[in-house]
Amino acid sequence: EVKLVESGGGLVQPGGSLRLSCAASGFTFSNYAMTWVRQTPGRGLEWVAALTDSGSGTYYTDSVKGRFTIYRDNSRNTVYLQLNSLRGDDTGVYYCARDRYSSTNAVRGWFDPWGQGTLVIVSS
Amino acid sequence: DIQMTQSPSTLSASAGDRVTITCRASQSISSWLAWYQQKSGKAPKLLIYKASTLENGVPSRFSGSGSGTEFTLTISSLQPDDFATYYCQQYNGYPWTFGQGTKVEIK
Repeated sequence: EVKLVESGGGLVQPGGSLRLSCAASGFTFSNYAMTWVRQTPGRGLEWVAALTDSGSGTYYTDSVKGRFTIYRDNSRNTVYLQLNSLRGDDTGVYYCARDRYSSTNAVRGWFDPWGQGTLVIVSS
Repeated sequence: DIQMTQSPSTLSASAGDRVTITCRASQSISSWLAWYQQKSGKAPKLLIYKASTLENGVPSRFSGSGSGTEFTLTISSLQPDDFATYYCQQYNGYPWTFGQGTKVEIK
């Protein structure tokens, strides 16, 4: 069974940091680009970051550039999202998702499956 | 950024109804559009990609059409399992963007 399981969310103060993890199983992780998408009451679904199968290519939405870092460890079948300088509008459920099809050094941009999500709350 | 606008925001329908959801892009995205279904408390699920290609295992009552800036998702005969929120998403250019969602409710 193809599965993604996120962890690492929680309550953090403004300006703080968190590292989200997404553990993959049931497929050859190193063959697929991976993505993080967040869902907030105010902005709905928002794509946050993506990286290629090797991790050599990374892409971010403007609001998180310089604050968030996406990276992966293919030996551990895990993709990470490091969240720094957190703000209140970063609050939401963070999902990791896999590109639907495998590709080499590219990201396709439509996603399946998704993990169950991990909740990040930024508040003092 | 490419803005994606869905209509309606909420749709009330009965089982057996034909349902159509529209998604408009602020600029041409060719056919680089996906549709997702999200049930309460769950992650989104891919239904359709490249505007009209049905994902494996998705019932044939779902269909997608359109290109350029206007797209539709149609459910030919609404089933009880289809009451959910539906989102379109463009992947023509960064940042990839989603519509605001259409909630399909029981009438």
